[in-house]
Amino acid sequence: QVRLHESGPGLVKPSQTLSLTCTVSGGSILSGGLYWSWIRQHPGKGLEWIGSIYYSDITYYNPSLKSRLTISVDTSKKQISLKLTSVSAADTAVYYCARGTGGSWNWFDPWGQGTLVTVSS
Amino acid sequence: SYVLTQPPSVSVAPGQTARITCGGNNIGGKSVHWYQQKPGQAPVVVVYVDTDRPSGIPERFSGSRSGNTATLTISRVEAEDEADYHCQLWDPNSEHSGVFGTGTKVTVL
Repeated sequence: QVRLHESGPGLVKPSQTLSLTCTVSGGSILSGGLYWSWIRQHPGKGLEWIGSIYYSDITYYNPSLKSRLTISVDTSKKQISLKLTSVSAADTAVYYCARGTGGSWNWFDPWGQGTLVTVSS
Repeated sequence: SYVLTQPPSVSVAPGQTARITCGGNNIGGKSVHWYQQKPGQAPVVVVYVDTDRPSGIPERFSGSRSGNTATLTISRVEAEDEADYHCQLWDPNSEHSGVFGTGTKVTVL
C-alpha cells in the first residue's frame, strides 16, 4: 500500500523559498504514467492544484504559480520535492502531496496527511 | 481554463439523500472525480471517472453526469458523511491541467 509523507519547515519568512519533500513508501515511484502532485489548501478554503510531475521530468504547473515553482523527483530517495520562491502570506496553507493515477482522467489517490506551512516574519 | 462551481453548503437529515452538483464550462468531454474531506484529514476519493466507486467506499455514494454538470449523490445519509466534498478534473492539454471545484460543506442535521 503506497503511503506519502510530507516534510519541511512549518514556518517560512516572507520573500524566502518554501521547500517541501514528499517521501513515498510501500510502492514504486517509477511506475509509469503516474502524476506525482502537490496540492494546497488555504485555511478554511478549497483545494488548489499546485503542480504535477510525470515520468520524472515532464511538469505541469498551475499558471498562477508557474514563475515561482519547481517540482522535481529524486528516484533514488523516492522523494518528490516542491520549491516555491518569493513566498508571501498568501502562500500560507496546508500542503499535500498526492499520487495522480495517470491516464486521461487522472485523479489523486492516495494523499499524504498534509503539512501546514505558515509564511510570517 | 475550467471553473468548477459547487454549492457552498448542503444540509440533509439522516436517512435522506444529499445531492452535490459540480458545474463547469465545456467539461462535457472530461471526467469528474469526487473527494470527501473530514476536518483535519486529507481528502479521500469517493467517486472517480464520473461514476466509479473505489473499493471500501459505501454503495451509498454514487456519481452521475449530464452534460456540463456532474453530481455526487449520497443516499441514506449517515452522521459520518458530514464533511467537505470537492470535485476535480484533469486536462493535460490545458494550461491549467488540474482543477478542483469550489467545495461543498455537507451538514447532517
